[in-house]
Amino acid sequence: GAVVSQHPSWVICKSGTSVKIECRSLDFQATTMFWYRQFPKQSLMLMATSNEGSKATYEQGVEKDKFLINHASLTLSTLTVTSAHPEDSSFYICSARGGSQETQYFGPGTRLLVL
Amino acid sequence: AQSVSQHNHHVILSEAASLELGCNYSYGGTVNLFWYVQYPGQHLQLLLKYFSGDPLVKGIKGFEAEFIKSKFSFNLRKPSVQWSDTAEYFCAVSAGTYKYIFGTGTRLKVLA
Repeated sequence: GAVVSQHPSWVICKSGTSVKIECRSLDFQATTMFWYRQFPKQSLMLMATSNEGSKATYEQGVEKDKFLINHASLTLSTLTVTSAHPEDSSFYICSARGGSQETQYFGPGTRLLVL
Repeated sequence: AQSVSQHNHHVILSEAASLELGCNYSYGGTVNLFWYVQYPGQHLQLLLKYFSGDPLVKGIKGFEAEFIKSKFSFNLRKPSVQWSDTAEYFCAVSAGTYKYIFGTGTRLKVLA
């Protein structure tokens, strides 16, 4: 149980385009979903927290207009990287928790390369 | 600000050696503690977690961790590592907000 999927697993796009990444909880209802960014050989940096049906809460230094997060249902959250630039190239990971659970379950990540 | 420190950035061990990875956090209140493992090319998987009760927690794959409140530590241990334990290990702490603060990770390489 507690499986989280992400789609796509990798994406290459041109500078200036927008990219949407989906995060789904497959076998539980995700009260909260989290979006992280992981740089090579570094830890995970929390970008934002999203609760179903409400606006996402962004961490300090994360541009909310750049990284649009939508959590429209209890099983789906999307991260849209708008007007992507090469510096947005990274590994984006989502996680989800359900109900009153503290434990987060992580998706496999999406590798984004902006040319 | 809350922080999580993993002092061992890279660890190399031979098979059958014992493992201890350090994790220290800075937060004075009640915390929930986690260890996750990331095998090469795979997603983070939960190894074990501590919320309350017995401070010695047993997880999957023979791993255990001990919560020492006075030392603000949650070190991960395994008596005898295997080649398949080669991975990156992350300690994470949450303190009432459901958000995790991750340590910087420890890359473990086990030599066959």
